[in-house]
Amino acid sequence: NAGVMQNPRHLVRRRGQEARLRCSPMKGHSHVYWYRQLPEEGLKFMVYLQKENIIDESGMPKERFSAEFPKEGPSILRIQQVVRGDSAAYFCASSPPSSDIPHGYTFGSGTRLTVV
Amino acid sequence: GDSVTQMEGPVTLSEEAFLTINCTYTATGYPSLFWYVQYPGEGLQLLLKATKADDKGSNKGFEATYRKETTSFHLEKGSVQVSDSAVYFCALRLNDYKLSFGAGTTVTVRA
Repeated sequence: NAGVMQNPRHLVRRRGQEARLRCSPMKGHSHVYWYRQLPEEGLKFMVYLQKENIIDESGMPKERFSAEFPKEGPSILRIQQVVRGDSAAYFCASSPPSSDIPHGYTFGSGTRLTVV
Repeated sequence: GDSVTQMEGPVTLSEEAFLTINCTYTATGYPSLFWYVQYPGEGLQLLLKATKADDKGSNKGFEATYRKETTSFHLEKGSVQVSDSAVYFCALRLNDYKLSFGAGTTVTVRA
C-alpha cells in the first residue's frame, strides 16, 4: 500500500508563474490536509479537504492560493503569480474518514518550491 | 494561539552519544503532544505521543515526558545510532485534524 505521494519533489518557478502541487492520498483515505513550512519556521496548517469539498481553509492566504480535491485524481494546491515569499516546503497529509490525530494521519515527503 | 517552540539545530553527535531536543509549548488547556521524525526522502512519521500531563511517550529508544509545570515535552535518547539521523519535529494537536509544529531540528549522527 503506497503512502501519500506528492509530486513534484522539487519545483522551480519564476516570479509571476503558476505552481501546481499534487498530492495523492493513501488508498482508502478521503481526507487531505496541506501544510506549509517557510524557512526557519514550523509546518503551518493551510487547508483541509474532503472529496469535492473544502472543510477548513483558515490557513490559506487570501489571494493567489487555491486547493481542490476532485472526485477523481489527486488533490491540487495551486499558487498563482508566485512571489519569492512563496518559496517553502509544502506537505500533504491524508487520513481515512472518522479518524482523529494522530490515528491514520499520514504525511507525504513534501514538495520544495523555489521561486527565482 | 497554541504553539510549540523547538530547540534550533543543527545538532551533530557521535554514535552512542546522548541526545536531547528541547520543546516547550504554549496552550490554553492541555493538548496532546507529539514528536514526528522525517528521515531523508520520506514523509513525517509519528515517533511518539503523550495525551496528558505526566504521560511518557516512548518508541525506538526515544522518550519524552509531558511536563505541565514547565510546559515542556523534551525528546531524549540515551545512545544514538547513525540511523537516527533525521529531522525531528515537536507538535501539538489543535483539534481533531489540525497540528501545530515546531521548526524542526536536524540531527546528524556520525559513526
